[in-house]
Amino acid sequence: AQSVAQPEDQVNVAEGNPLTVKCTYSVSGNPYLFWYVQYPNRGLQFLLKYITGDNLVKGSYGFEAEFNKSQTSFHLKKPSALVSDSALYFCAVSPGTGANNLFFGTGTRLTVIP
Amino acid sequence: NAGVTQTPKFRILKIGQSMTLQCTQDMNHNYMYWYRQDPGMGLKLIYYSVGAGITDKGEVPNGYNVSRSTTEDFPLRLELAAPSQTSVYFCASSYRDSGTDTQYFGPGTRLTVL
Repeated sequence: AQSVAQPEDQVNVAEGNPLTVKCTYSVSGNPYLFWYVQYPNRGLQFLLKYITGDNLVKGSYGFEAEFNKSQTSFHLKKPSALVSDSALYFCAVSPGTGANNLFFGTGTRLTVIP
Repeated sequence: NAGVTQTPKFRILKIGQSMTLQCTQDMNHNYMYWYRQDPGMGLKLIYYSVGAGITDKGEVPNGYNVSRSTTEDFPLRLELAAPSQTSVYFCASSYRDSGTDTQYFGPGTRLTVL
């Protein structure tokens, strides 16, 4: 069975500091991993994904994520947080192709403190 | 492109009433999805469609129905609304299947059943 864990409900970080939002996954085959961000009263927006290739994936708004197969993790990172990064972040995993194959974590609320 | 649009934005229903949530996309995507998002939970897939005339159940289909008569539209029907259906509903679409392709989300419909 596929599952995603986001162990932190809330992450607080000072503006200008690096941020990390954690994600671990469990999947039966090769994982395909996604990060989405949700701003208040908005739908989810795609940030980045890992399908294959380089373990370090760069995405929108200066975010990046590192795929670590041995630790089954896909943590989201940014070198310098902005107040505008404050939002709800979702990690999602898929074991492969298929329209009903994307499973979401419960989300992590990131607050960047000015 | 407007992307994925949903109507209405908000709705309050009484127990036993019915309604249809509308979803339209103008990106010529083959795949469309309906999710619900409950507080503190990740998104759960209700129904999905891989093309006009083809729909299938997701993880939580009970109490809902869908149809896909055109590529653009994917309405979600609630029959006999129950308090357990109080949630935020998101429609999404992707060009290919969700296993590897990016999903694009609408702004959501906040439904309250009293």
